[in-house]
This record gives sequence, structure tokens and C-alpha cells, in this order.
Amino acid sequence: KQEVTQIPAALSVPEGENLVLNCSFTDSAIYNLQWFRQDPGKGLTSLLLIQSSQREQTSGRLNASLDKSSGRSTLYIAASQPGDSATYLCALGTGFQKLVFGTGTRLLVSP
Amino acid sequence: EAGVAQSPRYKIIEKRQSVAFWCNPISGHATLYWYQQILGQGPKLLIQFQNNGVVDDSQLPKDRFSAERLKGVDSTLKIQPAKLEDSAVYLCASRSPGPTDTQYFGPGTRLTVL
Repeated sequence: KQEVTQIPAALSVPEGENLVLNCSFTDSAIYNLQWFRQDPGKGLTSLLLIQSSQREQTSGRLNASLDKSSGRSTLYIAASQPGDSATYLCALGTGFQKLVFGTGTRLLVSP
Repeated sequence: EAGVAQSPRYKIIEKRQSVAFWCNPISGHATLYWYQQILGQGPKLLIQFQNNGVVDDSQLPKDRFSAERLKGVDSTLKIQPAKLEDSAVYLCASRSPGPTDTQYFGPGTRLTVL
């Protein structure tokens, strides 16, 4: 059974800092990995999707990497802003159009 | 393009009562999912529909939960009777056809069971 863990569970940083969120998984037989953002009272928004054959994806200030052999992914956020405050979830695409979600990292960026 | 709609947004009930949630996916999306997200955890898949057929309901507590997707569009998720541990946010998501793995999520329904 695939298990997905995210560290840290919560993170508080001042505005402007670069930061890294971590996601680890136990089964490397994945189709892809996605990073989602969840704002309070709102649904999840997909930020980046990395196919299993890829090593990283970039969108603006966000960069996600994938190392299947070690069962790890990282989400790098450059020059953090208060608007980045949210919960970040990684999710593994395990085939049959299913996602297995991690436990989430709650990020707070202070002005 | 309208997003995934869910109602109600909030619901408070007492244990042993019944409750139903409604989801309207993005037009044209054949695949629909219901997830349960307990506070402090990631979403857990309850049931997956392809059009109006069930693809996977292995994690649905079938003694108390039921779901249907009549006509392959809207879907309802029902809990009867509710338990305290059912307190969670219930998220609906839909996926467009084709070689994409992106799911689009609704705002969720926050259920509190007292």
C-alpha cells in the first residue's frame, strides 16, 4: 500500500525567504506526482504535475523535482510572499486515474 | 468554464442522523470522484465514477455511505446513519477525458457530526 508523508507538517517563514517542502513515498511504481495548493474553505488547485519520466517542472516561482528511486519529491518556492500561505499537498498518480495524497504542509508567510 | 459545484458548503447534524451532499462536475468531465478529508490529513478517495458506473468504491464504508451518479452528470453522496468520526470535509472532483491526470476540485462540504 502506497504511503505518502510530507515534512514538515507546518512551516512559518518571513516574506522573501526561499523554502523547500518535502514529500516522500514508499512505492516508486507511480505514473506521476502532483503538487496541490489548498486554501481554507476552498478546493484544491493543481500547481505542478511531473510525469514519472521527468525529473522536474517549473512554474513561475515554483519548482518541483521528482526522484523516483529514492521515493522523494520537493517543492521549492522562491521569494515567498504572504499570498503563498496555504496548505500544500503532494499526490501520487498510481494508475487507473487515481491519486494518493500526502498529509500536507501548512505554510504561513509573514509580511 | 464553470468549476465543480458542491452544496451545501456546511452541514451540522447529530449522530445517527442522515445527510446528503450534491456535486455538479465540470461539463463534459466523465470521471467524478468523492474524497473525505479529515482535519490535518490529506484527502482520501471514497468512490470513483466513470460516467454513471462505479470504477472504485473499495474505501467507501458501504454499511453507512452510498453514492450515485444518475445520467452520468450530477452525483450525490449520502451518509446514513452518521457517526462522530464522519466529521470531515467532503470534496468532489472531476477529470476531463483524454491523457490528462489533472483533477478539478470543488470547494467541499464541511460536515460536523455532534
